[in-house]
Amino acid sequence: QSALTQPPSVSGAPGQRVTISCTGSSSNIGAGYDIHWYQQLPGTTPKLLIYANSNRPSGVPDRFSGSKSGASGSLAISGLQGEDEAEYHCQSFDGSLRAWVFGGGTKLTVL
Amino acid sequence: QVQLQQSGPGLVQPSQTLSLTCGISGDSVFSNTAAWNWIRQSPSRGLEWLGRTYYRSRWYNDYALSVKSRIMINPDTSKNQFSLQLNSVTPEDSAVYYCARETATTYNFDYWGQGTLVTVSS
Repeated sequence: QSALTQPPSVSGAPGQRVTISCTGSSSNIGAGYDIHWYQQLPGTTPKLLIYANSNRPSGVPDRFSGSKSGASGSLAISGLQGEDEAEYHCQSFDGSLRAWVFGGGTKLTVL
Repeated sequence: QVQLQQSGPGLVQPSQTLSLTCGISGDSVFSNTAAWNWIRQSPSRGLEWLGRTYYRSRWYNDYALSVKSRIMINPDTSKNQFSLQLNSVTPEDSAVYYCARETATTYNFDYWGQGTLVTVSS
């Protein structure tokens, strides 16, 4: 199993707000390492969505936001659109494993 | 704009060596603000970081414990690219393999290659 835990799936109607959680441990997120989020549209390469917990790269809409608290973090998507239907992955560093670690991915369905 | 272009075979026989190359444009393999990574993705294991190479006055490598005994990641400075070699592969190594640039300031992967589906089968 993955070092970071994400729900396998979430869903929401257009216009709604959804959140995706990413739970780690005292050796990764809880140790102070940043969380990064990636969006992977069907059949495509992961794309950086949020970096260092809450920062958006240029070109990412402000509908996407991230936060971190303790050993977990979350990605929020407001004003849900059909084009947001994708898989979302969180990533951090694990000091015990000395490795970059990912969550198992969350599939977002727009109803 | 940074671009990463992957090349290599999509089919590898069991017990053989998987070899992939990632060509870099828009940046340098010698960059002091980047590291060059290999990541793979499979339905059973999700995204899995494999290792990286980077230059800070000399070359460094880091590898995931799960593959440490079988992996090599090397820079090719003459071609501005880096490579992955994974030895003694089994069907469990079947996955989509990505190369990715890691920023040395925020430690995330900001540019990815297009991905190569590698199947281990006879």
